[in-house]
Amino acid sequence: GDSVTQMEGPVTLSEEAFLTINCTYTATGYPSLFWYVQYPGEGLQLLLKATKADDKGSNKGFEATYRKETTSFHLEKGSVQVSDSAVYFCALRSGGSNYKLTFGKGTLLTVNP
Amino acid sequence: NAGVTQTPKFQVLKTGQSMTLQCAQDMNHEYMSWYRQDPGMGLRLIHYSVGAGITDQGEVPNGYNVSRSTTEDFPLRLLSAAPSQTSVYFCASRPGTSGGYEQYFGPGTRLTVT
Repeated sequence: GDSVTQMEGPVTLSEEAFLTINCTYTATGYPSLFWYVQYPGEGLQLLLKATKADDKGSNKGFEATYRKETTSFHLEKGSVQVSDSAVYFCALRSGGSNYKLTFGKGTLLTVNP
Repeated sequence: NAGVTQTPKFQVLKTGQSMTLQCAQDMNHEYMSWYRQDPGMGLRLIHYSVGAGITDQGEVPNGYNVSRSTTEDFPLRLLSAAPSQTSVYFCASRPGTSGGYEQYFGPGTRLTVT
């Protein structure tokens, strides 16, 4: 079945540091890939997405590239801010499913001033 | 638009009690889902609906019932609460296949079963 593996947290960085959160997946067909962000006390919000191989999703300074050859979708940001502190979830929707997202376990990011 | 709303935000139940978690969306979305979020587990799909009158089971449906009598509402019922159902519950909705695949999440209901 489908699965998503993302790096264990928590991740603690200083402001303006470079961020990478690794995500790899197993899926049938050609999945769409997503990063969701959950700020404290809130629901999940879509951060970025990519729907086919070599697509790059980007939003708010975050980027992730859909790498079919390595089945990866790593999240990166060049300079994090305190306001980026949140839990980040990698997720996929497999080609055979219209409704179901499969989530990774989430990575807690804390950015200190 | 209010988006996806959930009530209550917090709830404490005793083992064996029943309750209904409410979810509503005002975006005319066809698809609605319920997830539970547990530490170190990510989000797991409980039940989903592809339209009014149509529901189906997700990964972890045991102990939960759903119904979808209108497009807007998708309540989740706990028939006899158990401590294993202590979790944060999220409702989500998205347009049908012609409207893209982004899911919109509600703010969550934090449930504790003692």
